[in-house]
Amino acid sequence: DAGITQSPRHKVTETGTPVTLRCHQTENHRYMYWYRQDPGHGLRLIHYSYGVKDTDKGEVSDGYSVSRSKTEDFLLTLESATSSQTSVYFCAISDVRGGDTQYFGPGTRLTVL
Amino acid sequence: EDQVTQSPEALRLQEGESSSLNCSYTVSGLRGLFWYRQDPGKGPEFLFTLYSAGEEKEKERLKATLTKKESFLHITAPKPEDSATYLCAVQSRDDKIIFGKGTRLHILP
Repeated sequence: DAGITQSPRHKVTETGTPVTLRCHQTENHRYMYWYRQDPGHGLRLIHYSYGVKDTDKGEVSDGYSVSRSKTEDFLLTLESATSSQTSVYFCAISDVRGGDTQYFGPGTRLTVL
Repeated sequence: EDQVTQSPEALRLQEGESSSLNCSYTVSGLRGLFWYRQDPGKGPEFLFTLYSAGEEKEKERLKATLTKKESFLHITAPKPEDSATYLCAVQSRDDKIIFGKGTRLHILP
């Protein structure tokens, strides 16, 4: 497995609380991505990063922010969690901007009550 | 609008019964089409990349093919360990990656 870890792996929180998910890589890949996966939807891109402090929005970025202060860490923050953000969140990394070299982490299951 | 449609949503096969999964797409300038395998509770695992119509890739019992409008993932003589969800994704000319909803494949022993 590519060296990608996500923490926490499971989290239950209440509506209105802030939540931060962490993705850590040991591969020194340039690109890092946050996706969410929901029943009835394909994986949807939330945000991605193309370098330290360089980030951009994906197709479902509303309600989420990200930060990347080091090559190896990419944080996803839900400023005020809502029930619609209950999902499984996957981090992915790649050396180039593309699908074939994307390696995915194990996922974080987030439940917002 | 760019989109990816996978069919069927779910497929149950007997061990050894060959079949195909379909991924049809509309995208502005295809840069690549990707197949992933996803096991329950895990992240997707990359299988293949196809870049142009007519291209084929093989790995063990799996073969992926590509035309101008769709891709097929052929599974020959499947085994129970091939049971998983198979995801298709496309990359557009502006580097947007769009995933399909997946096909859940169950191989019965």
